Amino acid sequence: GQNIDQPTEMTATEGAIVQINCTYQTSGFNGLFWYQQHAGEAPTFLSYNVLDGLEEKGRFSSFLSRSKGYSYLLLKELQMKDSASYLCAVRARTDKLIFGTGTRLQVFP
Amino acid sequence: NAGVTQTPKFQVLKTGQSMTLQCAQDMNHEYMSWYRQDPGMGLRLIHYSVGAGITDQGEVPNGYNVSRSTTEDFPLRLLSAAPSQTSVYFCASSSAGGGVWANVLTFGAGSRLTVL
Repeated sequence: GQNIDQPTEMTATEGAIVQINCTYQTSGFNGLFWYQQHAGEAPTFLSYNVLDGLEEKGRFSSFLSRSKGYSYLLLKELQMKDSASYLCAVRARTDKLIFGTGTRLQVFP
Repeated sequence: NAGVTQTPKFQVLKTGQSMTLQCAQDMNHEYMSWYRQDPGMGLRLIHYSVGAGITDQGEVPNGYNVSRSTTEDFPLRLLSAAPSQTSVYFCASSSAGGGVWANVLTFGAGSRLTVL
């Protein structure tokens, strides 16, 4: 079966660093994606990992360990606009992209 | 570019009614999909298509029907609406094949459906 786990909610302070974890068990693996979704809006693409290691993109970084079925999204220098849900998604053996339930991040001043 | 366009944005139905959610993309994407999003459940895949004339089931296909007669359009039909189908529906598309950008989904703005 397919299983993707993320924490339901996290809080952090403006200017801080936060790490959102994602663990997965899927039948096959062809890449892991992170999406950001503000309340009432559509998800938007943040990052993609298919090989082990860290991918950095400005204030956001994403890490993947395929042997451990583990990824994290690292957000640095948090801003109020980073308050959103962060969705971890795995492309398994087929063309399907399966999403976790998402982590709601609240950033406080 | 319009990207992915979904209509309607809001819809209220009575139990047993049928309706079609429209989805169109202008990016020449081969892959199109429909998700529903419910509180605490995340995005769940309903149906998807890898090209015109090809469709397949996702995680929660029951009660929904799709077709893909053109590359641009991928409508989702609710055959006989039930209160359990109250949800926010997202259409999403991507290019197919290998490479980094394959399967990076572009989402429509969503359609909020309420079934009474």
